[in-house]
Amino acid sequence: GAVVSQHPSWVICKSGTSVKIECRSLDFQATTMFWYRQFPKQSLMLMATSNEGSKATYEQGVEKDKFLINHASLTLSTLTVTSAHPEDSSFYICSARASENTYEQYFGPGTRLTVT
Amino acid sequence: GENVEQHPSTLSVQEGDSAVIKCTYSDSASNYFPWYKQELGKRPQLIIDIRSNVGEKKDQRIAVTLNKTAKHFSLHITETQPEDSAVYFCAASRTGRRALTFGSGTRLQVQP
Repeated sequence: GAVVSQHPSWVICKSGTSVKIECRSLDFQATTMFWYRQFPKQSLMLMATSNEGSKATYEQGVEKDKFLINHASLTLSTLTVTSAHPEDSSFYICSARASENTYEQYFGPGTRLTVT
Repeated sequence: GENVEQHPSTLSVQEGDSAVIKCTYSDSASNYFPWYKQELGKRPQLIIDIRSNVGEKKDQRIAVTLNKTAKHFSLHITETQPEDSAVYFCAASRTGRRALTFGSGTRLQVQP
């Protein structure tokens, strides 16, 4: 089956620093990747849609200069949280879709970010 | 954009009973409706999905029904077991470069 990995699985950083999270599709090429954020006991909220070779599309209320997304290849998308603050502490999950004609999305295992 | 509402937020049942979770969606163009089970700290796990050209789908103890006219879909779990305890999310999307829109989640507790 389709496998999506994320790295790191958890990270602790100090306020004001930047953190990069990687999302990889291991056995398929992902034309589109999505980044979600999930706060404790809440649902997954879409942050941005990332298409290979083009700029990411951000959801309303998500600061594009703070959450930098790069989708440089068909198997890798990265999310960089810049100048992290404690309120950015959350569970970040990526998902990938193989093509525009497919329905299913494959989720990564998530990254737990804690900003101290 | 799409909006998905999910009820109830918590559901407690006795082992062996059935559980039903309901969702409504707003975008009539949505054509894909998956259900996910999420355990604490883990990724959402797809348990069943249905496309808009089908009214019902069943997989062992799990079934999903879709009413396109009313724009609602439901998850039915029969003969519940303690290992069914988790948070369940419904979602909706359409093909193309569209993300999933998730419901708010239902915490299911199956009492042994």
